[in-house]
Amino acid sequence: DTAVSQTPKYLVTQMGNDKSIKCEQNLGHDTMYWYKQDSKKFLKIMFSYNNKELIINETVPNRFSPKSPDKAHLNLHINSLELGDSAVYFCASSQAEGTAIQETQYFGPGTRLLVL
Amino acid sequence: GIQVEQSPPDLILQEGANSTLRCNFSDSVNNLQWFHQNPWGQLINLFYIPSGTKQNGRLSATTVATERYSLLYISSSQTTDSGVYFCAVGANSGGSNYKLTFGKGTLLTVNP
Repeated sequence: DTAVSQTPKYLVTQMGNDKSIKCEQNLGHDTMYWYKQDSKKFLKIMFSYNNKELIINETVPNRFSPKSPDKAHLNLHINSLELGDSAVYFCASSQAEGTAIQETQYFGPGTRLLVL
Repeated sequence: GIQVEQSPPDLILQEGANSTLRCNFSDSVNNLQWFHQNPWGQLINLFYIPSGTKQNGRLSATTVATERYSLLYISSSQTTDSGVYFCAVGANSGGSNYKLTFGKGTLLTVNP
């Protein structure tokens, strides 16, 4: 009965390939996020969607394209993968009210991406 | 944007010891959360605490929003407390209401 789930958990691929990571939440939240955690464990937000609408894009390269088919899903597609894209990608969700996040943010288990 | 500083960066304890982790932030916030990332990489929310004090078992947290800091207390530490503790804040201004900005974390190691 996972609250926020991601697939796949591990992704090993060659430079130049295109890959997707899927995220689903069953908490009824209206806001979902993608974070990137680098090798030094630093967590940085990439995107935020509220009610399927993009509200934050933190200077992420155009090769990264999020897609939210509905409030419960936020997928991340990455084109032309580069070595520097190797990281752990976390999906998260929370409930927003007006223009602010309210209460707790819940994280998925992460997807470990290794680009060779 | 808002700056979040955590201290200490690393902490090694013997089982049973108590510890205090600190989070300083540079602007007023409407959201502050503490997370524990366990050795398997899972991020677990510990507290949502934009102000005041909360307790959950051996853990407690206090945020003094007017002085722009938060403290996480761990009492009678156990080896399962090992991992990285993150503080994350949502700012009141600058269009940052929809995101959390994370500190660099405190790496806690509890030895048996």
